[in-house]
Amino acid sequence: EVQLVESGGGLVQPGGSLKLSCAASGFTFSDSTIHWVRQASGKGLEWVGRIRREAKNYATAYAASVKGRFTISRDDSKSTAYLQMNSLTTEDTAVYYCTGGAATGIDYWGQGTLVTVSS
Amino acid sequence: DIVMTQTPLSSPVTLGQPASISCRSSQSLVHSDGNTYLNWLQQRPGQPPRLLIYKISNRFSGVPDRFSGSGAGTDFTLKISRVEAEDVGVYYCLQATQFPLTFGGGTKVEI
Repeated sequence: EVQLVESGGGLVQPGGSLKLSCAASGFTFSDSTIHWVRQASGKGLEWVGRIRREAKNYATAYAASVKGRFTISRDDSKSTAYLQMNSLTTEDTAVYYCTGGAATGIDYWGQGTLVTVSS
Repeated sequence: DIVMTQTPLSSPVTLGQPASISCRSSQSLVHSDGNTYLNWLQQRPGQPPRLLIYKISNRFSGVPDRFSGSGAGTDFTLKISRVEAEDVGVYYCLQATQFPLTFGGGTKVEI
C-alpha cells in the first residue's frame, strides 16, 4: 500500500520556523519527484515547490511566494522529504500536502499537516 | 504564470446523469517535449486531493472509467459519464507544463 505521511505541523509565531517531513512507503521513493502543495482553510490548492530525483541532480523549484524562505530537501535512504519553512507569516497558514510518484510526480498524496502561523 | 480558469464554479448534478467541467489555460500547455501536462484531481470532503487524469486523458491507476478527460492546447474538459454519490467533491485542473505549477480555482460537484 502506498503511503505518504506528513508530520511536523503546528502553531508557530510570525517570523518563526518549522520543518515538515514527508515519509513515503509502498513505491520507489528514489525514482520520484516530490512536490509540496498547500491549502488554506476553505480555499483552493497552491503549489509550493518540488525536488527531483538524484538522476536530475535533486533540482528544486519554488513558488514565488515562498522562494528564499522555504527549502525542500530529501533523504532517499529514509524515503523522506522535508520542507524547511523560515520567516513564516500568517499568509503561510495552511494544510501542507506532500505528493509524489514516478509516473507524474503527483500520483499519490498524503493526508496533510496543518501549519498555523499566529501570535 | 499560467492562469487556469475552471467553469462552472459549482455543478449541481443528478445521480446517474453526466457531468462536465471545463478548464481553460491562459497559454498553450504543450510542452517543448511534445506532451501536454494537464491533470485533473478530485478532492472529496475532508480528504486530500487524488489524481484522476494525467496528460489530458490518461486515467490514473484505480480511477473508474466513468471519468474521462479531453482537450488540447488551452481548452480541456473532464467528464463524468454517470455521476455516483461518491463523486461529490471539488475538482481541480492542474498544469505542470511550466513553472510555477498552477491550479484552477476548483469546481464543486454536488448532488
